[in-house]
Amino acid sequence: AQSVTQLDSQVPVFEEAPVELRCNYSSSVSVYLFWYVQYPNQGLQLLLKYLSGSTLVESINGFEAEFNKSQTSFHLRKPSVHISDTAEYFCAVTGAGGTSYGKLTFGQGTILTVHP
Amino acid sequence: SQTIHQWPATLVQPVGSPLSLECTVEGTSNPNLYWYRQAAGRGLQLLFYSVGIGQISSEVPQNLSASRPQDRQFILSSKKLLLSDSGFYLCAWRDSPSYNSPLHFGNGTRLTVT
Repeated sequence: AQSVTQLDSQVPVFEEAPVELRCNYSSSVSVYLFWYVQYPNQGLQLLLKYLSGSTLVESINGFEAEFNKSQTSFHLRKPSVHISDTAEYFCAVTGAGGTSYGKLTFGQGTILTVHP
Repeated sequence: SQTIHQWPATLVQPVGSPLSLECTVEGTSNPNLYWYRQAAGRGLQLLFYSVGIGQISSEVPQNLSASRPQDRQFILSSKKLLLSDSGFYLCAWRDSPSYNSPLHFGNGTRLTVT
């Protein structure tokens, strides 16, 4: 079984400042990791994913996340945030293969609020 | 391209009334389908998943049930709603059997039980 801990429930930042949203996971097997973003009253949208290969993955809107196996972390970063980045962000993990049927385990979410 | 439809968007129901939320997926076949519930500050809780027609797996015991009468249709139901059933319900699908493929979510149904 897997578990995910998002260390911050809320992160307020000013526009154009850098931000890091922290995510730690626990698993006894190899994992796939994901970050999802949710805007108010909407479903979740995939932001980026780590499956294998390079430990640094990037999204099309400037976010990046780095898979750190030794620290079991998958922190999300952006060097300069915009007002439009205000949303709730979820880290998720699934075991690689087996009989989990790809069930994702989500963290509790981090609300990112960008102030002007 | 694939799309997912979920309705209604919002619903207010009295305690003890029945519930039926519907989700359909277009543009794919034999998807894995999921129902999640989101409560404020508690992340997403997987309620049910289905890998095929008529195949339903329940993750947590509760007042809800799910059915998959057609390949791309997933229904969440209750015979008698409880106050604790209030929340934001999300349907999702993924390609089968790619365990590493991401979930694609609908826009959700906000259920308020009064």
